[in-house]
Amino acid sequence: DTGVSQDPRHKITKRGQNVTFRCDPISEHNRLYWYRQTLGQGPEFLTYFQNEAQLEKSRLLSDRFSAERPKGSFSTLEIQRTEQGDSAMYLCASSLSGMSEKLFFGSGTQLSVL
Amino acid sequence: ELKVEQNPLFLSMQEGKNYTIYCNYSTTSDRLYWYRQDPGKSLESLFVLLSNGAVKQEGRLMASLDTKARLSTLHITAAVHDLSATYFCAVALEYNNNDMRFGAGTRLTVKP
Repeated sequence: DTGVSQDPRHKITKRGQNVTFRCDPISEHNRLYWYRQTLGQGPEFLTYFQNEAQLEKSRLLSDRFSAERPKGSFSTLEIQRTEQGDSAMYLCASSLSGMSEKLFFGSGTQLSVL
Repeated sequence: ELKVEQNPLFLSMQEGKNYTIYCNYSTTSDRLYWYRQDPGKSLESLFVLLSNGAVKQEGRLMASLDTKARLSTLHITAAVHDLSATYFCAVALEYNNNDMRFGAGTRLTVKP
């Protein structure tokens, strides 16, 4: 068990470009979450998958954001037409459905939009 | 809408001292979490509290939950430098356990 992996660790892009991040959850975990964290703040929920189904998406999430989990394993988060306000740490977490729902977080992808 | 408030946001302590971090939330919930985050690192789960009156302890940290008061506390006993980190509480919405709301975090610094 290598934990939750995220790639890349850092991404610098110019405003208007598209970016895609990848998350590999812990292998037996059926639930996968994406969060966004800005400096000095707690993580903000973006979206949630159970297996390959995207069951929840934050109402605050722009249409420029899309996430997939095609085979119920890894997930990708794409941001189209990036804006400077998208600069943040994007965290992926996974869990095994059950009573305690303990989330295991990856190290995150730090996005900087210039 | 669920709001989660932590206080204090910044805490500087001397080694050996005790202190408590508070987490208040605005609507009913049946799960509360405490996480630790070191600078530049991801979040590490510390405690999961599932019921009123739940108390969990790990080393110098003890967490408790009062669902009636919508309050959780994280108590630090005889602080050591290694406890320096940011501590977040997170509350799962009662009607949607998959949407977890985090507090802004308490940045703890333990000085020798």
